[in-house]
Amino acid sequence: EVQLVESGGGLVQPGGSLRLSCAASGFTVSSNYMSWVRQAPGKGLEWVSVIYSGGSTYYADSVKGRFTISRDNSKNTLYLQMNSLRAEDTAVYYCARADGSSGYDYWGQGTLVTVSS
Amino acid sequence: QSALTQPASVSGSPGQSITISCTGTSSDVGGYNYVSWYQQHPGKAPKLMIYDVSNRPSGVSNRFSGSKSGNTASLTISGLQAEDEADYYCSSYTSSSTFVFGTGTKVTVL
Repeated sequence: EVQLVESGGGLVQPGGSLRLSCAASGFTVSSNYMSWVRQAPGKGLEWVSVIYSGGSTYYADSVKGRFTISRDNSKNTLYLQMNSLRAEDTAVYYCARADGSSGYDYWGQGTLVTVSS
Repeated sequence: QSALTQPASVSGSPGQSITISCTGTSSDVGGYNYVSWYQQHPGKAPKLMIYDVSNRPSGVSNRFSGSKSGNTASLTISGLQAEDEADYYCSSYTSSSTFVFGTGTKVTVL
C-alpha cells in the first residue's frame, strides 16, 4: 500500500529555516516524480517544487532561491529545505507522487508551517 | 507562473450536470495534454479525479469526465450528487518543466 507521511512542520520566526520530510512506503521515490504542494489557510492549492526521477529539480518563482527539494533514496524519503521563511509561506504543505502521468495520485496528510513572530 | 483561471463557484441540483472550466495559455494547458483535476473536501488532502486531460484513475466514478479545447480544459460532473460538493482544482504541466494549479472552484449541490 502506498503511503506518504509528512513531518517537520511547526512555528518558525520570519527569516528562519525549517526542513520538511515525507516518508514514503509502498513504492520507490526515485522511480517517480515527487512534488511539494502548499495551501495557505482558506486559500487554494499552490504548486511549490518537483524532483523528477532523473534528479532534476524545479521551483515556483515564489520560493526559488529559498527552498530546496531533495530525496534520500536509502531512506525512501523526500525533503523540502525552507530558508528565509516569510509570513506568506504559512500553509499546509503536502507531498505528492505522480506515477508517470500528469496527475498526483497519492498525497500525504499535510504538515502545517506557521511563520510568525 | 500565473494560476490557471477557474470560476469561483458552480452550483447545480442533484442529478444535473455541471462543467468547470480551466483557462491557461499555450505554455501550459494549450501546449500539453497534461491537465489533471483534483477534488478536495474541507480539511482533507486533494484527490486525483482526472489525469492527462481525460483519463480517470481506478475507483473514480465515470460521472466525472475531462476534456480540452485550445487553452481551456473542462471537468464535467454528470448526475450531480450531494457528495460531489467540494472544491475542485485543475493543474497543468508547463513549458518551464513546472506545474501550475488553477484558482479553484467551489461546487455547491443545491
